[in-house]
Amino acid sequence: DTAVSQTPKYLVTQMGNDKSIKCEQNLGHDTMYWYKQDSKKFLKIMFSYNNKELIINETVPNRFSPKSPDKAHLNLHINSLELGDSAVYFCASSQGGTGWSDTQYFGPGTRLTVL
Amino acid sequence: KNEVEQSPQNLTAQEGEFITINCSYSVGISALHWLQQHPGGGIVSLFMLSSGKKKHGRLIATINIQEKHSSLHITASHPRDSAVYICAVRSPTSGSRLTFGEGTQLTVNP
Repeated sequence: DTAVSQTPKYLVTQMGNDKSIKCEQNLGHDTMYWYKQDSKKFLKIMFSYNNKELIINETVPNRFSPKSPDKAHLNLHINSLELGDSAVYFCASSQGGTGWSDTQYFGPGTRLTVL
Repeated sequence: KNEVEQSPQNLTAQEGEFITINCSYSVGISALHWLQQHPGGGIVSLFMLSSGKKKHGRLIATINIQEKHSSLHITASHPRDSAVYICAVRSPTSGSRLTFGEGTQLTVNP
């Protein structure tokens, strides 16, 4: 069974469209994350939810809106897509908390291409 | 300047060589992670360290908290080790947020 799954794996769309990426984890974790990996392979945190509550909200455009219907799911909705949104988006999950031993498990990534 | 710096950015080795990838950070941390990103894009957590040294198979990770430095070593490297290796740190004041280095692209030739 896949621990952290994302759909779709690839997403090609036109500028100005609205799209969603879905993430699900079956690890029973309390915390989920969205990361963006740019063309230089640099990973950066976007959002984090703990038990459906937003706990990290980095400086990202408000066109990006995360939604967590339950603690096993964290979806990312993007409005009015722009060329610069093209990247690979990774979902991850962890047990959460501030303990040093909190391991994050990553999904396979969604490659978004905006034309 | 990034809070987490890795070196080298790119590394090419011959099969069997001993490999070292370095990570320096400028903030206080509660933990340091080493991640591996496969050519297909998947990311796997290799190690999580708060002190000392950890070993898993041919991989060894060390950390020196005083010097704010960590190294990832690969012994008897193999072409299947070719991947991007990413260092990430977790600050005690940032909750579960990870700050990432830019990664080291390792290519091991047969």
